[in-house]
Order: sequence, then C-alpha cells, then structure tokens
Amino acid sequence: DGGITQSPKYLFRKEGQNVTLSCEQNLNHDAMYWYRQDPGQGLRLIYYSQIVNDFQKGDIAEGYSVSREKKESFPLTVTSAQKNPTAFYLCASSTQGYPYNEQFFGPGTRLTVL
Amino acid sequence: QKEVEQDPGPLSVPEGAIVSLNCTYSNSAFQYFMWYRQYSRKGPELLMYTYSSGNKEDGRFTAQVDKSSKYISLFIRDSQPSDSATYLCAMSWSGGSNYKLTFGKGTLLTVNP
Repeated sequence: DGGITQSPKYLFRKEGQNVTLSCEQNLNHDAMYWYRQDPGQGLRLIYYSQIVNDFQKGDIAEGYSVSREKKESFPLTVTSAQKNPTAFYLCASSTQGYPYNEQFFGPGTRLTVL
Repeated sequence: QKEVEQDPGPLSVPEGAIVSLNCTYSNSAFQYFMWYRQYSRKGPELLMYTYSSGNKEDGRFTAQVDKSSKYISLFIRDSQPSDSATYLCAMSWSGGSNYKLTFGKGTLLTVNP
C-alpha cells in the first residue's frame, strides 16, 4: 500500500535533548513537508522540500533542522534550541504536475518534553 | 489580519442536521480551495477541493467558493456521528514553484447520535 509513515507515534524527550522524527513515503512524491499542530493553532509549516538535497524554511523553522538525502525520506530534528517543542508533528508529501497542491499526510508524531 | 480565518468552534449538532463550516481569507491570489478532515490523533485527509469560484458536490458534502467575498464554505447534509472530526480549510495559488498551503485553524465538529 502506498502512503506516508511516521515514527515513532509517541516520543518523550528531556529538556536539552535533540530528537529526530522519521518520515518516509512510497508515493514517489517529489515534495515533502513538516508541520506542527498545537491546540487552537492549526497547522504551521516548519520546513518543506521540493527536491532531493534542497529544502526551504517555513514559517516556524527556528529550533528545527531537516535533511533530504533520499526522495522517500525527510527526517525532522527538534533541537534543544526549540523552546516549546511539545506538539503534534505532521509530515506530508505532494507531487509536481497537479494544478493544485494536494498534500497527503502521515499519521503524526506526538512529542512531549518532560 | 491573518491570511485565513476559521471559527474553531466547537460545533455540536444532532445527527441528521445540516452543518455549515466557513473560512474567510484576505489573499486574493488564492485560487485553489481545499477542505481537509482530521479525526482525533490522526493526520488530515483531503475531503474536497474547488478551483476558483463555484460549487462542488460529492455525496453529502458541498463546497462553495465566493471569491468576490473571499469566503468559502463546506456543507454537510444528513450529518452522521462518523462526521465528528476537525475540519480544516486550506488554500493555495498555482504556478511557479509555490507548494505552500495556508491552513485555517480548524473547526471541531461533533455530531451527536
């Protein structure tokens, strides 16, 4: 089955630690995205990548880093510089060629800082 | 003024009711309008999309876009308990390499049996 997988589903982190969230897709999509979702805040774009080895900052990139070494994978690292990292993190992907940007989402990772 | 405004609710209706969900936006460049449904603790899934102004119907769901008023709506007829979810509007413009979607904050809907 084609789709997007995110792991882990739940993640707990101590303050001062970096953590990496995994996102993999087998949809052959060129573009991938990371969003953060907080209660009452909707989805906010952290980073996006339109092609391998290239990515751009979204609206709230501070304290986060990404890499795009493979088309299928777009891991997100939440660094200790992110002051309020507890949130629900969603990865998405989309393909070029469509007239509109339909993004397909993964199931999400819930990160809690202890 | 935020680019996309959406009443977060919560909205609670009895089963069988007609539900109206709405978003307003400020950026006249938006051409593609989408509604995503998100069940609790899950990722959003695309429900409907509409290009420019007009209506689009899919079963019990109707999406409307009024570009002159910068207003979009999603109607759910004969609502069911399984429709209970958060509904997010999203918008984008075409052309070039713009891949960004702008989301509303989402409206939490509960349909009571």
